[in-house]
Amino acid sequence: EVQLVQSGAEVRKPGESLKISCKGSGYKFSSYWIGWVRQMPGKGLEWMGIIYPGDSDTTYSPSFQVTISADKSITTVYLQWSSLTASDTAMYYCVRLGGSYQGYFDYWGQGTLVTVSS
Amino acid sequence: DIQMTQSPSSLSASVGDRVSITCQASQDISKNLNWYQQKPGKAPKLLIYDASNLEIGVPSRFSGSGSVTDFTFTISSLQPEDVATYYCQHYDNFIFTFGPGTKVDIK
Repeated sequence: EVQLVQSGAEVRKPGESLKISCKGSGYKFSSYWIGWVRQMPGKGLEWMGIIYPGDSDTTYSPSFQVTISADKSITTVYLQWSSLTASDTAMYYCVRLGGSYQGYFDYWGQGTLVTVSS
Repeated sequence: DIQMTQSPSSLSASVGDRVSITCQASQDISKNLNWYQQKPGKAPKLLIYDASNLEIGVPSRFSGSGSVTDFTFTISSLQPEDVATYYCQHYDNFIFTFGPGTKVDIK
């Protein structure tokens, strides 16, 4: 069974750094792109970026200042901020791209809620 | 950049009604259009990919159609468990764009 399991909720102050994780299992981790999607409170879905764990090839949306990385030895992808602001308060989902030539996200993590507040 | 619009932004219908949502792209996207369902407090779920293909395990009352710039998502007989927000999503050259969503509830 394919699963994406994300790390737990986080509370940080503005200016702090943060790294959240997404662990994949039940499939060949290195062969599927993993992306991140943001959902601000009461709002819609926004794609942030995507990484191919096999070689760490990464593409970002120009709207986001984040770093996406992967450690294929532990089948985990990360989303990292160097300096959080209140506008980073949101639910973050990791998603698996259905295939290298597909454009749909077939599996979603359960979400990680990030709260940034002084 | 390709922009995606959805209509309506929300709708209310009775159990058993046929419900349709439209998604329009600002330029030709062929059939690169997917549909997701997000129930309250849950992660989104893929329902339809490449405009009209039903994801495995998704009930057949859900369907999608369209190409080029105009797409339609239909629930043939609305059920109470279909209360959710539905999003269209386009993909082009590793840029992924979601529509603004349509909230569906029961009248």
